Parts: sequence; C-alpha cells; structure tokens
Amino acid sequence: AQKITQTQPGMFVQEKEAVTLDCTYDTSDPSYGLFWYKQPSSGEMIFLIYQGSYDQQNATEGRYSLNFQKARKSANLVISASQLGDSAMYFCAMREWNSGYALNFGKGTSLLVTP
Amino acid sequence: DSGVTQTPKHLITATGQRVTLRCSPRSGDLSVYWYQQSLDQGLQFLIQYYNGEERAKGNILERFSAQQFPDLHSELNLSSLELGDSALYFCASSEGDRGGLNEQFFGPGTRLTVL
Repeated sequence: AQKITQTQPGMFVQEKEAVTLDCTYDTSDPSYGLFWYKQPSSGEMIFLIYQGSYDQQNATEGRYSLNFQKARKSANLVISASQLGDSAMYFCAMREWNSGYALNFGKGTSLLVTP
Repeated sequence: DSGVTQTPKHLITATGQRVTLRCSPRSGDLSVYWYQQSLDQGLQFLIQYYNGEERAKGNILERFSAQQFPDLHSELNLSSLELGDSALYFCASSEGDRGGLNEQFFGPGTRLTVL
C-alpha cells in the first residue's frame, strides 16, 4: 500500500501568491517524521522542512510551512510569496521510527510558478 | 551544496555490463543511504549503511550490492545491467542511523543510462 500520497501531479501558481501542496500519509507507527524535498530541473534533492509526529506546533522554515493535521494524516506544504525559482518537483516523504531507517517518498507534485 | 559528493555525474553503458557508483558523505555523517529514482517507480530506497555495516535494505535487486568503507565513503555496484536499470541514483547521508530528525542530505545523483 502507498504510504505517501500526493494527489496533485501538477500545480500552477502566480508569482507572489501562496500555494499548498497536498500530502497524506499512512502509518500505524506512533513515531514518525514527515519531510518535504524540492527537486529542481537540475536534479538535486533539497531538504525543505521537517515535522515530527510529536511536534506540537506546525513547522516553519522561511517561506515554507507545514500544515500538519495528525488526525487526518495530512502534512501539506505551504509556500508563501511564490517565486519563479520555486518551480520544481516537490516530494513528501515519511520515516517511521520503528520500521525502518529510510524515507518513503510520494510520487511528487510538479509546481510551475508563472510571472 | 549539501556536502555529499557523487561520482560520476553521468554514466552510459550497455546491457549486461557492470558499473560502480561512488558516494562520499558529509563530514561527520556515519549513515549512507542509496536511492533509485526512475520514471515508473519514482524514488525508492535501496540500502543503508551505518559506520561500515549494512543497516537496512529496501527494494534492492540481487544484481545490486553496496558497501561502506572505513573512510565512510560508499560504493553501489550494479551488475548484469538491464534497460530498466536506467535511472538517477542518489546517495544521501545523515549523522546517526535513526533517532531524532536525522535529516538526510542528498548528493547530486548519478544518472545511469543503459543502452
């Protein structure tokens, strides 16, 4: 079964607007971490933000924030004030503490920021 | 720049051949992870090493093997290559092996093309 689901294959947003990229996850492990990575066309994977399952507050890193709704098992990425350089693939990933050491990735969302 | 280096950047080879991909983790990181990114399978975890020992295995084929050396660099060996092995291979590193955030820093990847 898919552990990470990203339902939006592609998204458009206008420069300076905010955009939300959806991510839902499936786990029975009470201890887990959720990650978002950005992959520009050049190919590298860039870590953006992390949310632990026990964190009380939603994570924020600059223009990135994570809308963590534990009961709904969702961890949506919010990018505020979009910039042209935000155009990239965005991957949501999960790490379950008790069943592995690696990241399970979703299929990704392609974001295009338009002028 | 994540601090993780991978060589070569590109590799073109023929079916049936064997190749070796090399990864040097960030200074101080003891864990190395290998991931494969292909169009049909997405990003998949292959294998993890921690301080020279194999720690976890994912969807790694028997034709593939890896090791981590005393200086902590790692090599991924792919043999009897098939067309379907064409993919972007990432190495990632982290400080520890599972606890806490343990953010994984990704290298730039090696793009393997099997003809």
